[in-house]
Amino acid sequence: DAGITQSPRHKVTETGTPVTLRCHQTENHRYMYWYRQDPGHGLRLIHYSYGVKDTDKGEVSDGYSVSRSKTEDFLLTLESATSSQTSVYFCAISAGQFNTEAFFGQGTRLTVV
Amino acid sequence: DAKTTQPNSMESNEEEPVHLPCNHSTISGTDYIHWYRQLPSQGPEYVIHGLTSNVNNRMASLAIAEDRKSSTLILHRATLRDAAVYYCILGDNNNDMRFGAGTRLTVKP
Repeated sequence: DAGITQSPRHKVTETGTPVTLRCHQTENHRYMYWYRQDPGHGLRLIHYSYGVKDTDKGEVSDGYSVSRSKTEDFLLTLESATSSQTSVYFCAISAGQFNTEAFFGQGTRLTVV
Repeated sequence: DAKTTQPNSMESNEEEPVHLPCNHSTISGTDYIHWYRQLPSQGPEYVIHGLTSNVNNRMASLAIAEDRKSSTLILHRATLRDAAVYYCILGDNNNDMRFGAGTRLTVKP
């Protein structure tokens, strides 16, 4: 199994509070991704990174920011959590650009009350 | 805008082959075709990918149409553990790996 760990695995937070989710990899893969998954929407890309300090927006980036200060960690921050951000968040990593497989973490279930 | 089209659901009987179709009529010459699956309460799992030629691995086979506008994931003998949502994705040079709704495969004993 690819070395990819998401933390926390579960979190309940209040509306308006900041939240940071962490994705840690031990594979030294260049590319990292954050997705959210909601019933009826499948997986939607939030942000991705193609190297240290190199990130770009996905299709649902509003309300989220990311940072990647080192290869192994990709952080997703909700600056002020809202109930619409209640979701399951998945991190993924891949070695190559578009011709290699990606590995997914087990997910973080976030509930905003 | 996932750029692929898949049936919402399919059913199969256990130990029979399953053919999961995917249409990608706007595929470009450098787009790879990837398949992932997601079992209940788990993250997506890589199944197979290819560019032009058919591909086989221990999990499945990928048949790619000659014009590359469609592909088919083949599970040679479905098991109950193959029940999952299967996603067909184009890996393009934008590198943003966008998933669609996928096909929910039900395997009947």
